[in-house]
Amino acid sequence: AQSVTQLDSQVPVFEEAPVELRCNYSSSVSVYLFWYVQYPNQGLQLLLKYLSGSTLVKGINGFEAEFNKSQTSFHLRKPSVHISDTAEYFCAVRYQGGKLIFGQGTELSVKP
Amino acid sequence: KAGVTQTPRYLIKTRGQQVTLSCSPISGHRSVSWYQQTPGQGLQFLFEYFSETQRNKGNFPGRFSGRQFSNSRSEMNVSTLELGDSALYLCASSWRGAMEQKNNEQFFGPGTRLTVL
Repeated sequence: AQSVTQLDSQVPVFEEAPVELRCNYSSSVSVYLFWYVQYPNQGLQLLLKYLSGSTLVKGINGFEAEFNKSQTSFHLRKPSVHISDTAEYFCAVRYQGGKLIFGQGTELSVKP
Repeated sequence: KAGVTQTPRYLIKTRGQQVTLSCSPISGHRSVSWYQQTPGQGLQFLFEYFSETQRNKGNFPGRFSGRQFSNSRSEMNVSTLELGDSALYLCASSWRGAMEQKNNEQFFGPGTRLTVL
């Protein structure tokens, strides 16, 4: 079955520290990969997406993600986080012809 | 361009009642998808409408239904509410069908938070 696993449900980190949010998916066939951010009481906002081409994808707010086909991973990284990055982050995968499947989410908590 | 709007933002109902949620997509978008978000189940796909036709459906009971109007606005209806229906209901719009073309971004609204007592 197609599935998306976000390995950490909560990630606490201090301000200005680097962070990595991990995401693995279940199949290595053609996929399209997305990271969304959800701030409290808001909908989802697209951070970045991988469709094809370079495996390193840069998004908004200084985030980037690397597509690793052999490990079926799409980890999200930021070299230096800010308090305002505190939010829930969702990894999502669309398999060809299929619907968007979301991971369970990772709560990023940035502490001063 | 205005974003996706959802009304109402908050709703409280009691078990057994029915509820209708509304979603207005971005102007020009023809596809509207609905998702249910709960702490336990995460984000789950309910259904998608494109040009007034339901194109895809998730694994939800028949109590969950929807429709789309000629102006692409969509409504979702839940009948005979259960406590477990308490959730944030998100809608997302896109220009093409949600499952067409890789470069077809979905834009999400702020959601309607439904509480069933």
